[in-house]
Amino acid sequence: AQSVTQLDSQVPVFEEAPVELRCNYSSSVSVYLFWYVQYPNQGLQLLLKYLSGSTLVKGINGFEAEFNKSQTSFHLRKPSVHISDTAEYFCAVSPGGSYIPTFGRGTSLIVHP
Amino acid sequence: DAGVIQSPRHEVTEMGQEVTLRCKPISGHNSLFWYRQTMMRGLELLIYFNNNVPIDDSGMPEDRFSAKMPNASFSTLKIQPSEPRDSAVYFCASSSLAMGSSYNEQFFGPGTRLTVL
Repeated sequence: AQSVTQLDSQVPVFEEAPVELRCNYSSSVSVYLFWYVQYPNQGLQLLLKYLSGSTLVKGINGFEAEFNKSQTSFHLRKPSVHISDTAEYFCAVSPGGSYIPTFGRGTSLIVHP
Repeated sequence: DAGVIQSPRHEVTEMGQEVTLRCKPISGHNSLFWYRQTMMRGLELLIYFNNNVPIDDSGMPEDRFSAKMPNASFSTLKIQPSEPRDSAVYFCASSSLAMGSSYNEQFFGPGTRLTVL
């Protein structure tokens, strides 16, 4: 079975500052990795995904994530955040060949003006 | 496309009452998922269907919970009788599993916020 750990429950940051949201996973098999974003009172929306190939993955809204197999991590980054990036971010993992992800507990990104 | 549609968006009920949550998946999608989100437990998969057939219901918490998918465009999640600990946001998601594909994106609905008093 796989599991996902999001190390920070809340990340406050000022507008235009860089941000990194951390995600570590455990799995005995190859995995697919995902980041989802949840804006207030909305469902989850896929931000980006890693299935195979390049370990640096670019997503929507200027976000990117890097798959590090040796460290079993998939941290999410953005060089300059906006107020509109305030949301809950979920890291998820599924075994390669499966489309049923296991979600982390989420990280609340709070962008201050 | 209107996306995944859930109703109602908010439901307040009293303990012991029956609650029915509804979901309309995206047209053409053949997989449907029910999730529950709480502060304590995060996002949990309750059950998922493929081609209207329940594939895995191991996440359903107890017999008070039941889910059906009578056709490709409609699913219900029922709680009878409801209890205060069932208070949560319930999400429905759908996806399209193509033949020979090992991955397909899940599209989430806006959720139903259930409060059981």
